Amino acid sequence: GNSVTQMEGPVTLSEEAFLTINCTYTATGYPSLFWYVQYPGEGLQLLLKATKADDKGSNKGFEATYRKETTSFHLEKGSVQVSDSAVYFCAGGRTSYDKVIFGPGTSLSVIP
Amino acid sequence: SAVISQKPSRDICQRGTSLTIQCQVDSQVTMMFWYRQQPGQSLTLIATANQGSEATYESGFVIDKFPISRPNLTFSTLTVSNMSPEDSSIYLCSVDGGFQETQYFGPGTRLLVL
Repeated sequence: GNSVTQMEGPVTLSEEAFLTINCTYTATGYPSLFWYVQYPGEGLQLLLKATKADDKGSNKGFEATYRKETTSFHLEKGSVQVSDSAVYFCAGGRTSYDKVIFGPGTSLSVIP
Repeated sequence: SAVISQKPSRDICQRGTSLTIQCQVDSQVTMMFWYRQQPGQSLTLIATANQGSEATYESGFVIDKFPISRPNLTFSTLTVSNMSPEDSSIYLCSVDGGFQETQYFGPGTRLLVL
C-alpha cells in the first residue's frame, strides 16, 4: 500500500542553522505531496505543497521540491528560528477526495 | 480555502461514556474525513463521510465504535462510543479542497479519557 517515510526525530538545532527533513513517498502513480506543521498545542496547518514532478513548494522560508525519480519531497530551510519549533509531517494524497497518508512526524526544537 | 470549526475543542471524559464531536465547514463540500492522532503519533484516517451515504471506515475502525453522521454538505459528527483511556487522542475533521488537491483540516478536538 501507499506509505510515507520521513526522518524520525527529535531534531534539535541552534537558531540560524540549516534544516533538512527527508521524506519519501511510495505509491502507484504520482500523488500530490505536502508538508504540514503542528505547533505546540495547536492544530494542523498546511505548510507547503507540490502537485507534480519538479514543482517546488515554498512558504515562510521553507522549501521542498518534488523529485519524480525518487518520489522525494525533502523539507529545507536555510536559517531556522526558535518559532519554527514544531512537529512537521510529510504527507501525500492522490487527490483531495482521497485520504491523506501521513508520515510519522519529525519533532524540531530550535534553541537560541 | 475552507474554514472549519470543531466542537468541543477539548474534553475530559469518563471511561464507558460516549462523546460526539461536531465538524462545521463554511462552504459546501463533497467529502469530509475524520482522522485520529494518538499521543506522540501521526494521523490515521478513521473514516470518510460522503453526504447521503454510509461512511466508509478504514481497517481497524468500526461503525459501532465510531458512528458518523453526515446530514448535509457542511456538517458531520463523529461519536466515540464506550470510551476507554486508549481513545485519548486528538480527533481532526478535514474536508476536500476540490480541484486544489489539498484537504483542509479543522483545529481538532483533544480528548482525554480517564
